[in-house]
Amino acid sequence: AQKVTQAQTEISVVEKEDVTLDCVYETRDTTYYLFWYKQPPSGELVFLIRRNSFDEQNEISGRYSWNFQKSTSSFNFTITASQVVDSAVYFCALLNTGTASKLTFGTGTRLQVTL
Amino acid sequence: GAGVSQTPSNKVTEKGKYVELRCDPISGHTALYWYRQSLGQGPEFLIYFQGTGAADDSGLPNDRFFAVRPEGSVSTLKIQRTERGDSAVYLCASSPTGARRSTDTQYFGPGTRLTVL
Repeated sequence: AQKVTQAQTEISVVEKEDVTLDCVYETRDTTYYLFWYKQPPSGELVFLIRRNSFDEQNEISGRYSWNFQKSTSSFNFTITASQVVDSAVYFCALLNTGTASKLTFGTGTRLQVTL
Repeated sequence: GAGVSQTPSNKVTEKGKYVELRCDPISGHTALYWYRQSLGQGPEFLIYFQGTGAADDSGLPNDRFFAVRPEGSVSTLKIQRTERGDSAVYLCASSPTGARRSTDTQYFGPGTRLTVL
């Protein structure tokens, strides 16, 4: 069985602070894919990034960066110099080749960025 | 291009009624997925279509739920004899390829908020 845990239910930061959202996953597969999605108040899930289990290279995209560590089964997401527009619920998700087509989501982390 | 669209955006119905929720995927996407998101939770998988056929319907909670995709594009999720516990946001997603075990990135629509009174 696969499982995604996002232990942080809600985080509040002041604009320009850095913030890291944690994601821990469980899977028995050796090949799998990890995703981050953003859900703003409008409700639509917006795709942010995808990593496969063979690629542990960390990635930076503008103010966003992702730290994938297989040794700890974690795929954490950092926003640098947060902005009010970053306020949303962020979901980590897992897709493994054994049950391909089904994304398994965590319960999400609500990020509130204030002025 | 246009993203995934879903109609209606909101649906309020009474317990016991029948409802239909529609999803229009990204043009050219072969795979289509339905998820259900309850308040404060992550989306949960319901069903996956590869073309016109349901490749995996293991997430449908019971036989009151049914989905079709007759022409391989638009899909309709149908719920019979609605119950208050069916209240949730129903999300649709699509992805480019139609492989039986697709590992493509899934792109989501804005969802339909269903409220059963």
